[in-house]
Amino acid sequence: GQSLEQPSEVTAVEGAIVQINCTYQTSGFYGLSWYQQHDGGAPTFLSYNALDGLEETGRFSSFLSRSDSYGYLLLQELQMKDSASYFCAVELRGSTLGRLYFGRGTQLTVWP
Amino acid sequence: SAVISQKPSRDICQRGTSLTIQCQVDSQVTMMFWYRQQPGQSLTLIATANQGSEATYESGFVIDKFPISRPNLTFSTLTVSNMSPEDSSIYLCSVEVPKGNTEAFFGQGTRLTVV
Repeated sequence: GQSLEQPSEVTAVEGAIVQINCTYQTSGFYGLSWYQQHDGGAPTFLSYNALDGLEETGRFSSFLSRSDSYGYLLLQELQMKDSASYFCAVELRGSTLGRLYFGRGTQLTVWP
Repeated sequence: SAVISQKPSRDICQRGTSLTIQCQVDSQVTMMFWYRQQPGQSLTLIATANQGSEATYESGFVIDKFPISRPNLTFSTLTVSNMSPEDSSIYLCSVEVPKGNTEAFFGQGTRLTVV
């Protein structure tokens, strides 16, 4: 099976930078995604890494180290609206793209 | 991008009954996915629905409890059978990501409460 570990909660103030880590154990890793979910909403895509290194998308960046089975999501210039749950999710080699196995999620609270 | 509609958006059901959740996509897709999200928890993949064949279930989920239909390339249903309070969850559908893309799209979910 798949196992993904991420912190359950993170708090920060507006304008700060926060990093959410994700370590995974899978058979046949293909890629790591990050999703944001506000209360009552559907998960929305933030970032994806299949290769080692950093992917930058506006205020959000994601990093992957395949050798360490580790990734992180970096959120910069935090805003109140960033308060949400953040999930890392893996895709497996040979599996249909979009078939995802999620971590437990990290609840981010941004304070004014 | 894919637009995914789910019905109902929420329901309150009596234990022992069944509920069928519908998922409609605005484009043809080969694979659709069903997830469960228990209160305050993560998304757990229930099954993969392929048009024209039986759904493939993840460990811990069985067809008798969660029968799935996939009559065409834009539609799927998930039935939660013989419900108990432990089935109270949000159920979400999603679709395969086309090659070259990385973003998965989800329906808004069906919030089920079993009393």
